[in-house]
Amino acid sequence: GENVEQHPSTLSVQEGDSAVIKCTYSDSASNYFPWYKQELGKRPQLIIDIRSNVGEKKDQRIAVTLNKTAKHFSLHITETQPEDSAVYFCAAVDYKLSFGAGTTVTVRA
Amino acid sequence: GAVVSQHPSRVICKSGTSVKIECRSLDFQATTMFWYRQFPKQSLMLMATSNEGSKATYEQGVEKDKFLINHASLTLSTLTVTSAHPEDSSFYICSARARGGHIEQYFGPGTRLTVT
Repeated sequence: GENVEQHPSTLSVQEGDSAVIKCTYSDSASNYFPWYKQELGKRPQLIIDIRSNVGEKKDQRIAVTLNKTAKHFSLHITETQPEDSAVYFCAAVDYKLSFGAGTTVTVRA
Repeated sequence: GAVVSQHPSRVICKSGTSVKIECRSLDFQATTMFWYRQFPKQSLMLMATSNEGSKATYEQGVEKDKFLINHASLTLSTLTVTSAHPEDSSFYICSARARGGHIEQYFGPGTRLTVT
């Protein structure tokens, strides 16, 4: 089955700086890579996704890159704000959705 | 669009009893629903996949007789935790995938189960 690794597990950044989270996956059949933000006690919220035929996607302050050859994908958040503080999960989907372990992001004001 | 609800949002039950959690797709038909369990400060772990009208497929290590899943219609799946134990206390989240070959999953708000 799919194995998704996510790093770092925790990330503390100064407000206004950038945050980068990296993931790797193992199954070359995975073709969809969503990123979720989860606040305590709430459902995962889709923030951006990328499909395997695209290398990069951007939505305002959030961008995702995908390297299919290396089986790497990354989330970039620019100009971080305190409300970006949350747990972020990457995931890879062939049929089932396999989550990474999560990254706790803290944005210091 | 693409709203998924869960009921109840919180439930407390005594050891040995059973509890049912409902997952509904409110504005779309879901051919496939997924059930996840999330322990504190951990990731979401897939428990089982259910397709409307057929038996659920359970992930390795998940007891099918303990976690009964029924996907009786295109808008409703239920998870019943039977003979609950304190170690079953967790956050249970469902997700639904719309019919038509879509890959995105839409998550319910989760159910916090506490077994005393």
